[in-house]
Amino acid sequence: GAGVSQSPSNKVTEKGKDVELRCDPISGHTALYWYRQSLGQGLEFLIYFQGNSAPDKSGLPSDRFSAERTGGSVSTLTIQRTQQEDSAVYLCASSSGTASGNTIYFGEGSWLTVV
Amino acid sequence: EDQVTQSPEALRLQEGESSSLNCSYTVSGLRGLFWYRQDPGKGPEFLFTLYSAGEEKEKERLKATLTKKESFLHITAPKPEDSATYLCAARPQGGSEKLVFGKGTKLTVNP
Repeated sequence: GAGVSQSPSNKVTEKGKDVELRCDPISGHTALYWYRQSLGQGLEFLIYFQGNSAPDKSGLPSDRFSAERTGGSVSTLTIQRTQQEDSAVYLCASSSGTASGNTIYFGEGSWLTVV
Repeated sequence: EDQVTQSPEALRLQEGESSSLNCSYTVSGLRGLFWYRQDPGKGPEFLFTLYSAGEEKEKERLKATLTKKESFLHITAPKPEDSATYLCAARPQGGSEKLVFGKGTKLTVNP
């Protein structure tokens, strides 16, 4: 597609439920990132995938958070047993590789509200 | 710890009133300083990448500059459509490709 596509754009879930957020990166982009943006906070790095390499999971806040990337393209971020503090915008981004100059392009985000 | 600090948090300008936004960074080496624009309810939109002190880049009314400790986003004769939150991010040295973001400067340009 022309840009990074994320779904759903909005999700309201009850505390304790699991949620899945999907990201479809720009075609041909090998690098994929997940960030979280809470109200009044900067973007917080969650996880990074690059090709077939082991993902950088250093930003995942707890073991309730996990992500996978199938076939080197689409990625799913899963949050288990959601808590109210998980309410945020979850942003996916992609780039064409690991060279320092590669621009990172963001999707519109998935707005998650846990009630 | 790698850190990026932006100031001011919010800035109100009159149309045509030029100003600058500041981004101070303390990272273990720098492999790029990035500026993004974010409109309400949207994802960040890429503006510039700077790599070395002294480098400058321009786009319409915006010019980004870089020193060894900070970056500035200069806005010349702004228009109301320049109203947005401007985000700064640094990519540190090391194996990770992650960007470290500041909290942003919310710019409002009044007609």
